[in-house]
Amino acid sequence: EAGVAQSPRYKIIEKRQSVAFWCNPISGHATLYWYQQILGQGPKLLIQFQNNGVVDDSQLPKDRFSAERLKGVDSTLKIQPAKLEDSAVYLCASSPRDTPVGTEAFFGQGTRLTVV
Amino acid sequence: DQQVKQNSPSLSVQEGRISILNCDYTNSMFDYFLWYKKYPAEGPTFLISISSIKDKNEDGRFTVFLNKSAKHLSLHIVPSQPGDSAVYFCAASGAGGSYIPTFGRGTSLIVHP
Repeated sequence: EAGVAQSPRYKIIEKRQSVAFWCNPISGHATLYWYQQILGQGPKLLIQFQNNGVVDDSQLPKDRFSAERLKGVDSTLKIQPAKLEDSAVYLCASSPRDTPVGTEAFFGQGTRLTVV
Repeated sequence: DQQVKQNSPSLSVQEGRISILNCDYTNSMFDYFLWYKKYPAEGPTFLISISSIKDKNEDGRFTVFLNKSAKHLSLHIVPSQPGDSAVYFCAASGAGGSYIPTFGRGTSLIVHP
């Protein structure tokens, strides 16, 4: 079974530029999460989708971050414009249904973003 | 304000010995606790969890202990193996009816051969 796929693996941009990350969850997984992990910290949830609807985006900085999951499968996370403090690893995870994130949540390898 | 704290950023253990990773939390409403393991350049992988109705959960070499009165949990790895070298994240969820986990900062475990 293929895992959660993310691209790109690495991205370096200048501040004020825009960037987009892509995630393809495990086939059939209804729930998709985007996390931000800043160096030295634990992952922090940015947004949770259930199929193509947003369940929780309370920690998403909506003035610069946006995410969508059209058709309830792939998802993109966009930052526009980027700030230096956005440098982090962006992790995508998926699970078969809306359950406690635990045994059924699978993480991708992440996209490491560096803003200079 | 960190609700889940892992106060030891790193831990070094000899192969075959016990590794004990500690985690403290401040929100008494948390009722589900998880440990994740993360290798470099990979995403976190679920390791073991425990519900607040239990005080111990065991899975092979890994055991998680929960002390609700002290708001403390620990992960024991016995015996430790070099392949266990990774960053271990503690996470807690269930506060306010939300099962989105709150993660600690992680502890880097190094197991020496």
